[in-house]
This record gives sequence, C-alpha cells and structure tokens, in this order.
Amino acid sequence: GAGVSQSPSNKVTEKGKDVELRCDPISGHTALYWYRQSLGQGLEFLIYFQGNSAPDKSGLPSDRFSAERTGGSVSTLTIQRTQQEDSAVYLCASSPPHWGTEAFFGQGTRLTVV
Amino acid sequence: AQTVTQSQPEMSVQEAETVTLSCTYDTSESDYYLFWYKQPPSRQMILVIRQEAYKQQNATENRFSVNFQKAAKSFSLKISDSQLGDAAMYFCADSYNNAGNMLTFGGGTRLMVKP
Repeated sequence: GAGVSQSPSNKVTEKGKDVELRCDPISGHTALYWYRQSLGQGLEFLIYFQGNSAPDKSGLPSDRFSAERTGGSVSTLTIQRTQQEDSAVYLCASSPPHWGTEAFFGQGTRLTVV
Repeated sequence: AQTVTQSQPEMSVQEAETVTLSCTYDTSESDYYLFWYKQPPSRQMILVIRQEAYKQQNATENRFSVNFQKAAKSFSLKISDSQLGDAAMYFCADSYNNAGNMLTFGGGTRLMVKP
C-alpha cells in the first residue's frame, strides 16, 4: 500500500518481556516519527529520524526504550523489560523533509502489558 | 517548551449544525505551523487543516475553517454543516522550524454528532 504501515496492530505481552514494534514509512519520506498515545490522552513525542542525521531521542521516557531506522526506511521501536505503564497505542508517522508539510500516520500498534 | 491546550474534552453537535473546537498554544517562536488532526476509531490520524503562522488569512478546507488569532495564541476549528462522519477525536498541534516536522499535540476533543 501507499500509506504508513505498522505491525503488529495489537500486541499483548507479559510484564518484563521485550517487544518490537515496526513501522514502514511512505516511500521517499525522509522524516519518521514515533508517538505514544495513552488511553484518552494526546500524543506524546518519542523519537524523530531525519535522513542520515542523528535521531532526536529527547522524548524517550526511559533507557528501556530505543529505536532504529535501517537504510533510511523501516523503523523498529524496542521496549525492553515492559511495564504496565507502557500500555498505550504507539503511532508512527512519516513526512517529506520540508517543514510544515503533512505528516502521514499509520494506524498504530496497541500494546497491552499484563 | 511548547504547549498546546484544548480546554474542551468533549463537544456535541446536532447534524447539519456548526460547532467550534478551541485550541490555545504557547510558543516563543515567531515562525510555526498549526494543525488540526482528526482521529476516528480506526486510530489513524488524518490532517484536517493547516495554518502557517505568518499568513494572516484564515485557512479553509471545504466545511472546515479556522479562526487564527496570533496575538492571543488561539487557533479554533469551525466545522460547518456537521455530518455523522465528523464524529471523532480532534487534536490541535503545532510545529516550529528547528524541530523539523515534530508535532506537539493538545490533549484532544471528542466530538459527538447527533442525528
């Protein structure tokens, strides 16, 4: 498809396990973002990739969270030793590099830590 | 730090009527963009309308328009002729130049449309 694709759509994991969330951005979009949306809340910025530049990791809530982007395309968000407070919807977005352009979002991954 | 505030957690409108969703923001930047995004139950965020801060004219997209008051740092969304498909969460957001397209979101307003 032509849109941003995220997998899995839903993930249930046990507390303490590691999880990986995947994002396939729109082809040609150099910018990629991860956001977290807790139940009934707004979106919280996590991390931002722009081309080959060093990512902006200022939104990552703890060192249990990490993300990488391989070949300037697919990105993986990894949460180690998951906690119940990590339960949320994780949304990925991509955009062209130009400031002010539309960011296109995926449908998110709903993570539930039990 | 930038903050975006939506003071209405929920709003309700009768089908075919007009509703206005409020948003205020706080920034020291002179150059920025403002956005309204819609999030239906599918979870996918969809851009509704965008405003460049240096443009005086209010943006309009079909039934959607904004009232941008730069001095007051206010950016409200007006939906005219409301339709059942407009029911969703609406998020106000901003971005500024040296943060790429990173968006700072408000807490959202849930819009219900009554038939």
